[in-house]
Amino acid sequence: TQLLEQSPQFLSIQEGENLTVYCNSSSVFSSLQWYRQEPGEGPVLLVTVVTGGEVKKLKRLTFQFGDARKDSSLHITAAQTGDTGLYLCAGAITNAGKSTFGDGTTLTVKP
Amino acid sequence: DAGVTQSPTHLIKTRGQQVTLRCSPKSGHDTVSWYQQALGQGPQFIFQYYEEEERQRGNFPDRFSGHQFPNYSSELNVNALLLGDSALYLCASRTPQGFYGYTFGSGTRLTVV
Repeated sequence: TQLLEQSPQFLSIQEGENLTVYCNSSSVFSSLQWYRQEPGEGPVLLVTVVTGGEVKKLKRLTFQFGDARKDSSLHITAAQTGDTGLYLCAGAITNAGKSTFGDGTTLTVKP
Repeated sequence: DAGVTQSPTHLIKTRGQQVTLRCSPKSGHDTVSWYQQALGQGPQFIFQYYEEEERQRGNFPDRFSGHQFPNYSSELNVNALLLGDSALYLCASRTPQGFYGYTFGSGTRLTVV
């Protein structure tokens, strides 16, 4: 069974602070996605990483895929209140297969 | 360009009843997956449809069934509802070329009483 563990489960910080959340697994993924979900809505895709060691940047968000393609991290610089939400990682073993999701990190950014 | 649309948005059913949820994928997407998201958890994979056939299935009982139509839209049916079936049901679509992540709908919030 593929299991994705996300940490921390909850994170509450002040606006302007930096943070990193983690996604770990014992499985090797062909690709890994990060999504953000707001209450009552579906997840929204932020990024896909496919190559071991890959780093992608999306404005203040930096995503890294582990060298062995088993883990990933999301770093947010100078967090804003609009970054508040549930951050989910999901891994796919094959391109045709399902994605397995972690239980997410709930981020609260306080003004 | 419309994304993934799901209906209804909210639904309240009684234990033992049956429910049908509907999904229209994003334009250009031909593969539809259904996920169940309980409160405080990540989405759990139910099944995936491609070319009108169920291609993969997660660890869900046979009470959960689905269908995909020639226009790629899809239905999720749940029979003999249990209280534990209360959740947000998410439909996700993807492109036929490679896999670069899903486009999700806003979900159907099902409450079983």
